[in-house]
Amino acid sequence: NAGVTQTPKFRVLKTGQSMTLLCAQDMNHEYMYWYRQDPGMGLRLIHYSVGEGTTAKGEVPDGYNVSRLKKQNFLLGLESAAPSQTSVYFCASRAGGAKEKLFFGSGTQLSVL
Amino acid sequence: DAKTTQPTSMDCAEGRAANLPCNHSTISGNEYVYWYRQIHSQGPQYIIHGLKNNETNEMASLIITEDRKSSTLILPHATLRDTAVYYCIVRVLEGGYGGATNKLIFGTGTLLAVQP
Repeated sequence: NAGVTQTPKFRVLKTGQSMTLLCAQDMNHEYMYWYRQDPGMGLRLIHYSVGEGTTAKGEVPDGYNVSRLKKQNFLLGLESAAPSQTSVYFCASRAGGAKEKLFFGSGTQLSVL
Repeated sequence: DAKTTQPTSMDCAEGRAANLPCNHSTISGNEYVYWYRQIHSQGPQYIIHGLKNNETNEMASLIITEDRKSSTLILPHATLRDTAVYYCIVRVLEGGYGGATNKLIFGTGTLLAVQP
């Protein structure tokens, strides 16, 4: 099993450009999450999904959109990138059940110039 | 989700036990305590979790106070590879499809520096 795979690993954008980050998991997990991490700060939840076809807002959803068309994939979109969105983005997934743990991807380093 | 409070940083000598505290004074009866760690530039890694009883696995031990308002993660023999940021989070049992209880909120964690 590959676990949680994020693509791309690195990306540089210009202000105003758009892009999509892909998260794929092969563990048949119901729940998927997108976090961002900025220097000196912990992980902040952007959006999450409790199942195929559903999405919900987290702590810092503004400027981002997400889609969960297939159970194994969770896409994070930036329609018009801003320098404030320069960050490391982590995707995570977990199975249903109260005690299930999170599995994280290796992260995407995004720079917006 | 209940808020957690952790020290910003801690040091530990290699080979000694590392004891990382976490306060979660507003924890509810059905909220689990989870610990994750993040080694530099990597995604967070699950360590252990518990509800009421103390727990132990191959990585660490988790001691939860009787009133459940605080807990301690114990790494019994810290090594240099244990240098990381350690996150303590609490999470409620699932509250239903799409409910807010399915969010997992991380704080800023404790930077544990294991010294040779």
